[in-house]
Amino acid sequence: GIQVEQSPPDLILQEGANSTLRCNFSDSVNNLQWFHQNPWGQLINLFYIPSGTKQNGRLSATTVATERYSLLYISSSQTTDSGVYFCAADTTSGTYKYIFGTGTRLKVLA
Amino acid sequence: GAVVSQHPSRVICKSGTSVKIECRSLDFQATTMFWYRQFPKQSLMLMATSNEGSKATYEQGVEKDKFLINHASLTLSTLTVTSAHPEDSSFYICSARVEGRNTEAFFGQGTRLTVV
Repeated sequence: GIQVEQSPPDLILQEGANSTLRCNFSDSVNNLQWFHQNPWGQLINLFYIPSGTKQNGRLSATTVATERYSLLYISSSQTTDSGVYFCAADTTSGTYKYIFGTGTRLKVLA
Repeated sequence: GAVVSQHPSRVICKSGTSVKIECRSLDFQATTMFWYRQFPKQSLMLMATSNEGSKATYEQGVEKDKFLINHASLTLSTLTVTSAHPEDSSFYICSARVEGRNTEAFFGQGTRLTVV
């Protein structure tokens, strides 16, 4: 099955800094999403982005499907951005079974 | 976006008892829902695919007799952890997506199960 790897595993930033999180996947994907898991465990949808580029405020994401990676950019980070960021992807088999990446644990310091 | 509601958010049960977790799609129909499990500081692992009106499909290594899944309607899937043991303590989360097209998946709030 598809393998989804994320880097870096951990990231510590000073408030106001920018960062780039990476998601590599081993097979062609049908769907891909980025999530932020808050301290209570809830997954917050950030982007649905199987290809192309999207922006939402301080966050943006780019997926280059042909090269099998996706990037999440966080600009002017805030302490509320702290948490774990996951990407999840499913393959072109059409089963819509998401496989989650290993996650990036982000801590933003005031 | 679409809403998926999961209940309860937190449950404590005694070893040997069974616990039922509900997952509802509130404003859309979902013939397929998914159940995940997450251990502390780990990623989410897919447990099973819940299919409305038919048997669930379990991922390799997941005991179907331990984790009973029922998807009796287009808006409700339930996961029952039977004869729970402390090692079943975990965070369980469900997801669903709007049918018929490639769209984003929506996740419930999750259920934190503690077996004592």
